[in-house]
Formats: sequence, C-alpha cells, structure tokens
Amino acid sequence: GAVVSQHPSRVICKSGTSVKIECRSLDFQATTMFWYRQFPKKSLMLMATSNEGSKATYEQGVEKDKFLINHASLTLSTLTVTSAHPEDSSFYICSARGTSGFEQFFGPGTRLTVL
Amino acid sequence: DQQVKQNSPSLSVQEGRISILNCDYTNSMFDYFLWYKKYPAEGPTFLISISSIKDKNEDGRFTVFLNKSAKHLSLHIVPSQPGDSAVYFCAASATGGYQKVTFGTGTKLQVIP
Repeated sequence: GAVVSQHPSRVICKSGTSVKIECRSLDFQATTMFWYRQFPKKSLMLMATSNEGSKATYEQGVEKDKFLINHASLTLSTLTVTSAHPEDSSFYICSARGTSGFEQFFGPGTRLTVL
Repeated sequence: DQQVKQNSPSLSVQEGRISILNCDYTNSMFDYFLWYKKYPAEGPTFLISISSIKDKNEDGRFTVFLNKSAKHLSLHIVPSQPGDSAVYFCAASATGGYQKVTFGTGTKLQVIP
C-alpha cells in the first residue's frame, strides 16, 4: 500500500520561532498533497491543498503568511509554521494523492507544542 | 458550517455485536463518501468508500450504506472486535472524489471484550 511519512512526529518550540514539518510519499508520486489540522475532539480541518510545482490553495481563514506550504517535488511537501504562538499548538496531518486515483493516503501526523 | 455531521461523539458495543456509525451531510454536491479509522496520535486510515451511484458497499466486516434522499450514510461493523476501538471519521467529496474531502467530527467507538 501507499505510505506517507511525516517528520518530525513531535516538536516542541518556543513562541516566536518557526517550525518546518515534512511530508513524504515513500512509494508513489504525489501530484497533490493536503495539509490538515486537528483540534482536540474536533474534525480534521483542511488547511491547504498543494499541487507539485504550483502555489498552494489555502482554505478560508487560514493565513498564507503564517502557514507556508511548499510542494517542490512529487514526493515532498513541507509546512512551515512561522513565528509560532501557543494557539498554533495542534496535531498537523498531511495526506497525499497519486496520479492513479482520488484516494488520499495520510501521514502519521505531527504534534506541535508551542511554549 | 459543518457539512458532514456525526451526531454521536461516542459509541460502546459488546464484542461480537454489530456497530453502527451514522453520518449526515448537507451538501447535495457530494457524490463520494469515505470512512476513515483513526487511532490517537496517528493519521487516519482509509476503510471503505461508496459512490453515490450505489446504495451499499461491502468489504469484509465493513459495510457502508448510503441513503441519498435522506443525505445519510452509515457504517456497519459486524462482528465488532476490540481492535476496532478507534475514532471513525465519515468524509465526503464532490466530483467523484477528486475534489477536497470534507470530514465529519468523528465517532469514538469502544468495543468491550
């Protein structure tokens, strides 16, 4: 099956610093990658959709300058949380979709804690 | 505006019995529906899906039923096993699944041995 990895799995940072989260499709080429955020006891909220080589499409209410998304290759997308604040603490999950279908394969998630 | 709703935040079922998880949606453009299973601190795992041209899809112990007129779908797990204990998310998409997926709020299933 298709495997998606995320790194790091857990990160703790100080307020005001920037954090980069990587999402990799290990055994397939991901033309589209999605970034989600999950709040406690809440649904997965789509933050943005990125297609390889083009700018990400952000959902309403998501700050583009705060959450920088780069999808530079068919196997790697990165989410950078800039100038992180405690309210950015959350569980961030990426998913990837290949060329052969519509199904999204999810990564294991990254727990971000901003102190 | 929650377009996909799972009104039961939790469900407890005895091992061996049937688990029924329900989901309602409001957007009539949705034509592809998926169920995901999620363990704590892990990403969701795809379980089963159904297209709007069908009203039932079965895969082993998992069956999804779709009632388009009621904008309602359900996931049946039978027999339920302790390993099924997890949070189950209903999700919906338009244009056959190629549009973005909208997730419900999840139902936490506990299967009691």
